[in-house]
Amino acid sequence: QSALTQPPSASGSPGQSVTISCTGTSSDVGGYNYVSWYHQHPGKAPKLMIYEVTKRPSGVPDRFSGSKSGNTASLTVSGLQAEDEADYYCISYAGSNNYVFGTGTKVTVL
Amino acid sequence: QVQLVQSGAEVKKPGASVKVSCKASGYTFTSHYIHWVRQAPGQGLEWMGLINPGGGSTNYAQNFQGRVTMTRDTSTNTVYLELSSLRSEDTAVYFCARWVGGEGDYWGQGTLVTVSS
Repeated sequence: QSALTQPPSASGSPGQSVTISCTGTSSDVGGYNYVSWYHQHPGKAPKLMIYEVTKRPSGVPDRFSGSKSGNTASLTVSGLQAEDEADYYCISYAGSNNYVFGTGTKVTVL
Repeated sequence: QVQLVQSGAEVKKPGASVKVSCKASGYTFTSHYIHWVRQAPGQGLEWMGLINPGGGSTNYAQNFQGRVTMTRDTSTNTVYLELSSLRSEDTAVYFCARWVGGEGDYWGQGTLVTVSS
């Protein structure tokens, strides 16, 4: 199972929006609505930001939104804030109780 | 509150095995799968596999099959990850996570495993 493809980096100024893509295949991203997104600050455990493609856990600001088209899922962070600077990872269900992570994207707030 | 508390850091020699524990509290242990994820220094997250604490069934990522064993002890609400035939590339932080549906909502603090001669 190959890792899902994410851009290595993305950036934006405070208040701007940034969108991160997560590209897989019809066997993972395109085949199931179980794509979730995590952000991770250095030395910390990942934190769930979006699940089931578009849903936000309680406590996650509505500045975070998710979508999917075909084999590509996307995470958009609107109204960028300094604390949004982190590494972001997608993960998708890939069938038969298997999962695959994305390669990760470092988001920089300029 | 839900908590996953992992065992402490380990240093192992190449060829040895390591066993990391993840003790769950604050919820019904047998109701949610536990997944293991690792992260090598400066690298991304890698999914290793899962265990159903209810029945003990497991599924391992292809990259680890033959070297990884996940077990659970329902008397102590603890799951274990054992990785054998360690090599330097296994140096990483290992995380356990409670899975609900298709996502991990609570994570352990991570356990650093260093493989060095």
